Amino acid sequence: AQSVSQHNHHVILSEAASLELGCNYSYGGTVNLFWYVQYPGQHLQLLLKYFSGDPLVKGIKGFEAEFIKSKFSFNLRKPSVQWSDTAEYFCAVNAATGFQKLVFGTGTRLLVSP
Amino acid sequence: SQTIHQWPATLVQPVGSPLSLECTVEGTSNPNLYWYRQAAGRGLQLLFYSVGIGQISSEVPQNLSASRPQDRQFILSSKKLLLSDSGFYLCAWSVQGSIGELFFGEGSRLTVL
Repeated sequence: AQSVSQHNHHVILSEAASLELGCNYSYGGTVNLFWYVQYPGQHLQLLLKYFSGDPLVKGIKGFEAEFIKSKFSFNLRKPSVQWSDTAEYFCAVNAATGFQKLVFGTGTRLLVSP
Repeated sequence: SQTIHQWPATLVQPVGSPLSLECTVEGTSNPNLYWYRQAAGRGLQLLFYSVGIGQISSEVPQNLSASRPQDRQFILSSKKLLLSDSGFYLCAWSVQGSIGELFFGEGSRLTVL
């Protein structure tokens, strides 16, 4: 079974600082990888996804993530955060074959101070 | 366009009382449907999923059950609530045969006293 680890539970940054949130997964086969975001008072929404091809994927609002297969990682990055990026971020994985049950990490709460 | 609705948004129930949370999806046919529970520090835990009417798969043994009486309706139930059932419950759907992007509802906050 798949599992996902997000090591940073809380991150506090100032505006314009760079962001990197760690995500590691455990699964022996081919996976699809996702980052979801939950802004305060809003529902979970997809930030970006990786299925195949270029391991560097770009999402909405200037976010990107890099899939490093050898490290089983899919870290989320943004060069310069804004106050509006304050949210909770979830990494998720599912197996590329069979029924796609999405397994989530425990989430990282990001607070960006103006 | 597709929409997903959950209700009620907030619910306070005594221990031992029954539970019914409803979720409906509009604008699509034969979706995969999911119930997740979100707990602080524990992320999102998949509780049930369904690939069709009457087809329910349970991920975690517990005090809850799910049913899918219609194609776009997914219900989370309990006959007798426990304190540990408190949490934030999320319904989600995905396109059949898709790679796995899920679309989430607004969530239902359940407090068991």
